[in-house]
Amino acid sequence: SQKIEQNSEALNIQEGKTATLTCNYTNYSPAYLQWYRQDPGRGPVFLLLIRENEKEKRKERLKVTFDTTLKQSLFHITASQPADSATYLCALQGDQKVTFGTGTKLQVIP
Amino acid sequence: KAGVTQTPRYLIKTRGQQVTLSCSPISGHRSVSWYQQTPGQGLQFLFEYFSETQRNKGNFPGRFSGRQFSNSRSEMNVSTLELGDSALYLCASSLHGTSSLYEQYFGPGTRLTVT
Repeated sequence: SQKIEQNSEALNIQEGKTATLTCNYTNYSPAYLQWYRQDPGRGPVFLLLIRENEKEKRKERLKVTFDTTLKQSLFHITASQPADSATYLCALQGDQKVTFGTGTKLQVIP
Repeated sequence: KAGVTQTPRYLIKTRGQQVTLSCSPISGHRSVSWYQQTPGQGLQFLFEYFSETQRNKGNFPGRFSGRQFSNSRSEMNVSTLELGDSALYLCASSLHGTSSLYEQYFGPGTRLTVT
């Protein structure tokens, strides 16, 4: 069955450092991969989308890579700030459906 | 543009009752998807509606149903509520839906508690 795993439930990082979150998947051939941010008590907010034929996508301090051979996406936040503290979800889109990972809770420590 | 709105925001129901949740998508968006979010299972896809037709369905029992109206507003219904149905129910709208490149815009969710 299809499975999506995000590297850890929680990640603590010092302010100013680069946070790297991992999303691995099995038994899936997604056309697109998306990353969302979710704050407590709120719905997820779309951040970035990357297609299967793209290796890397950037938006301001965010960078996403997508390796379909390794079946893995990496999500980087450079120069992290306390305001970046949130849960980050990866989502795979393919076969007319979207499947979400369980998320990684990022805490940026001042 | 106004965002996705969901009503009610909080709801407490008793086992065996039924509940109807409402979602108004972003103006112009024709696709509405519903998700259930729990601490243990994460975000799980319930179903997607596009132009009043259910286009895709997740692995949930038949007690979970939905519909979409001609103005793209959507409702989700859960009958014979069980304790395990306690969750945050999220609705997301998008322009084209799951069949093409798109991003979803989520509402704030309805927090359902079943006692």
